[in-house]
Amino acid sequence: DAGVIQSPRHEVTEMGQEVTLRCKPISGHNSLFWYRQTMMRGLELLIYFNNNVPIDDSGMPEDRFSAKMPNASFSTLKIQPSEPRDSAVYFCASSRDRGDLNGYTFGSGTRLTVV
Amino acid sequence: LAKTTQPISMDSYEGQEVNITCSHNNIATNDYITWYQQFPSQGPRFIIQGYKTKVTNEVASLFIPADRKSSTLSLPRVSLSDTAVYYCLVGDNYGQNFVFGPGTRLSVLP
Repeated sequence: DAGVIQSPRHEVTEMGQEVTLRCKPISGHNSLFWYRQTMMRGLELLIYFNNNVPIDDSGMPEDRFSAKMPNASFSTLKIQPSEPRDSAVYFCASSRDRGDLNGYTFGSGTRLTVV
Repeated sequence: LAKTTQPISMDSYEGQEVNITCSHNNIATNDYITWYQQFPSQGPRFIIQGYKTKVTNEVASLFIPADRKSSTLSLPRVSLSDTAVYYCLVGDNYGQNFVFGPGTRLSVLP
């Protein structure tokens, strides 16, 4: 199994541009999570999906952020327009079930820099 | 969700045993204790989970006293490659989401 695959690994963009981060979860995993990590705030849960349906997006910072999961093997996190304060490492994780505490598998992350 | 408290950072030397303690005073009956490890430039990865007493795997041991209000992650004979952030999480297996605290930053020195 290739694990959770995220792309791109690094993204540098100018303020105001649209940014799309991509994630392929592990096959058979029903839950998918997007996290953001910064030095100041640590790891923050942004949104999670269960069976492709968004369950809780209370962690999404504002309307500039949106996430979709059109099918069981693909999810996107979009920021439009991007701002310098969005610079962070964004992780995608998947698990068999959202309650599967010992089964969260994280991707390698996307390091986003907004200049 | 049960709140957890753990030291912000720890230093150790190669070959030593490292014990990281996590406090979770309001742990619920159905809650498990789970530890994750995060290396620089990588996502967190699961290392061990327990409910009570002692759990051991090839990576670490987890000690949980009878009152379950704390737990201790034990790493035997650490090496430089064990330098990482270690997160303690508490929750049940019925749909609670993971909330990661600041974790403990372990630095292993030569």
